[in-house]
Order: sequence, then structure tokens, then C-alpha cells
Amino acid sequence: SQQGEEDPQALSIQEGENATMNCSYKTSINNLQWYRQNSGRGLVHLILIRSNEREKHSGRLRVTLDTSKKSSSLLITASRAADTASYFCATLTAMNRDDKIIFGKGTRLHILP
Amino acid sequence: DVKVTQSSRYLVKRTGEKVFLECVQDMDHENMFWYRQDPGLGLRLIYFSYDVKMKEKGDIPEGYSVSREKKERFSLILESASTNQTSMYLCASSHRALSGNTIYFGEGSWLTVV
Repeated sequence: SQQGEEDPQALSIQEGENATMNCSYKTSINNLQWYRQNSGRGLVHLILIRSNEREKHSGRLRVTLDTSKKSSSLLITASRAADTASYFCATLTAMNRDDKIIFGKGTRLHILP
Repeated sequence: DVKVTQSSRYLVKRTGEKVFLECVQDMDHENMFWYRQDPGLGLRLIYFSYDVKMKEKGDIPEGYSVSREKKERFSLILESASTNQTSMYLCASSHRALSGNTIYFGEGSWLTVV
């Protein structure tokens, strides 16, 4: 079953605006990561937030985590054309004795010139 | 610079053919993964390996097998390719303890089965 679910599925904004994507999950997690995928390419790691953290920054990226609501958000400030990509959240959860990483279906972000 | 290399970027194979997708990582990672990615379905885990000669089934292992004879190399095998295996295949690797560690992905292999 799907763990992380991104919202919205697709988002179009003007260059320079901020883009916000959300991720909800169902079970307890160890950490949550966000990845970017340019069209037809592999995934690139953006940022990791641990379950005991509430907010994390990396350049123009800001990630929040609310474990009580089982949700995370990724904010990209001052968007650029190069930010056009799909964004995935991935949750690390321990199931039995095994760590398991589960990816959501992604949000397609399109930055309009 | 860390690197996960998938040997074939684009492949076209016939139904019933045996297909090998090769993946090599140069980061001395213990874990290696094979995912397939389809529109609307996201990434789905096929198999993973946490050590040489070790393998675990993921969510959709049917129709696939894997081989990990050396730490740096993880192969995905389609014993008899079918059209519903047309997809983008992504290899990834990470250190053993997933907590706090990043997963690194290859560039993907586009497989078309005709």
C-alpha cells in the first residue's frame, strides 16, 4: 500500500513565486526525504528530515514535518525555470526488523516563464 | 562524485526474450535496489539486496529475478520479457543503515518490450 501521498499531483506557478507541495503518510516513520526527478532522469536527493525535527532548510528549500498529522511540506521559494520537475517524498519506516523506504507518486511542478 | 551507473539507457526487446539490466555503484554501498516507475503508479520496489548474494523481494517481484555476485553490481533479470514490463527501471544504492542515509539513483533504463 502507498505510504507517502503527495498533494497536489500537479502544480503550475509563475517564475519567482513560491511552490508548496505536501506529503501525507500513514504509519510511524524514522525520517522523511524529498527527491527531485527531471523528466526522463533518475531521482536526486534534496533534503532529509528526521522524525524528531520540525523544520529544515537548504538553500531555497524549506521542509516541515508534523508527526501528529503525519504530514510534511516542501516549500521552494523564488522558483526558477530549472525547478520544473517531479518531486517525491519518501518515508523510512521500520517494518518488523527491516527498514523500508516507500516513495509517493510525486508532484509534477511546472514553472511558467 | 558518487555514481550509480545503469549500463543501458534505452532498450527494445521482443516478447519472450531474456533481458539483463546492469547496475554498478562506486560508493561501497551495502544496499542496492531495483525500482520500476510507471505513470500514475510512482516508484515500485521490485527487489533489493543488503549484501553480496543476498536478496529480498520488494512489492512487485513477479516476472523478475536479481543477481548480486559482487558488492558493486546488482543485475535485474527478466527471464521472459512481456509487454507489461515496458517501463522505466531505476537502480539505487545506499549504506546499510537507511536511517539518516541518502539513496542514490542511477539515470534509469527505458525498456520497451514489443
